[in-house]
Amino acid sequence: KAGVTQTPRYLIKTRGQQVTLSCSPISGHRSVSWYQQTPGQGLQFLFEYFSETQRNKGNFPGRFSGRQFSNSRSEMNVSTLELGDSALYLCASSSGQGANTGELFFGEGSRLTVL
Amino acid sequence: AQSVTQLGSHVSVSEGALVLLRCNYSSSVPPYLFWYVQYPNQGLQLLLKYTSAATLVKGINGFEAEFKKSETSFHLTKPSAHMSDAAEYFCAVSAVTSHGNAGNNRKLIWGLGTSLAVNP
Repeated sequence: KAGVTQTPRYLIKTRGQQVTLSCSPISGHRSVSWYQQTPGQGLQFLFEYFSETQRNKGNFPGRFSGRQFSNSRSEMNVSTLELGDSALYLCASSSGQGANTGELFFGEGSRLTVL
Repeated sequence: AQSVTQLGSHVSVSEGALVLLRCNYSSSVPPYLFWYVQYPNQGLQLLLKYTSAATLVKGINGFEAEFKKSETSFHLTKPSAHMSDAAEYFCAVSAVTSHGNAGNNRKLIWGLGTSLAVNP
């Protein structure tokens, strides 16, 4: 069974640009969660989608958005990039709502560097 | 408010020594508790979970954790460390935030992580 796939794995952007990250969950999983990981802040929850609906949202500005498609694949978008957005963005899938089960399957992440 | 505290952001042990990574939580209702591991340049992987069954939980790679309600703790242990155990370890709690007709709504709260180094 294929794991969670995130693309791209690495990317470099400049301030003011926007970026779109993609996540393909494990086949059959309907929930996708996104996290931002930085050395000082640890794992910060961005949002969770379940069956194309955003079920939970973290405390991030509106520049951070996401969506989920009917095949459960998800994308997140960050507009007007800032230096502080440099981080590892992790996607996790689960069969039920992620927070309810706690059993998340993570991808390897997309490492974003903003210059 | 629910929270998770991992005591010690860095822990260093010798190969073959006991591994003890500490996690304390605060939750007003019985929580679900989890330990995840992150190896370098990889995503997180579930090590073990507690969901109100046996208080001593065994996970993968020889790790186990004990839920102690009186101490609000869920410490992770392994009797003998291997070099391959060097990684970042995260404790998480899934706490109920609201009750609905379809069941409880939960929120995952993460600790800041503990970096484990294993010395030869």
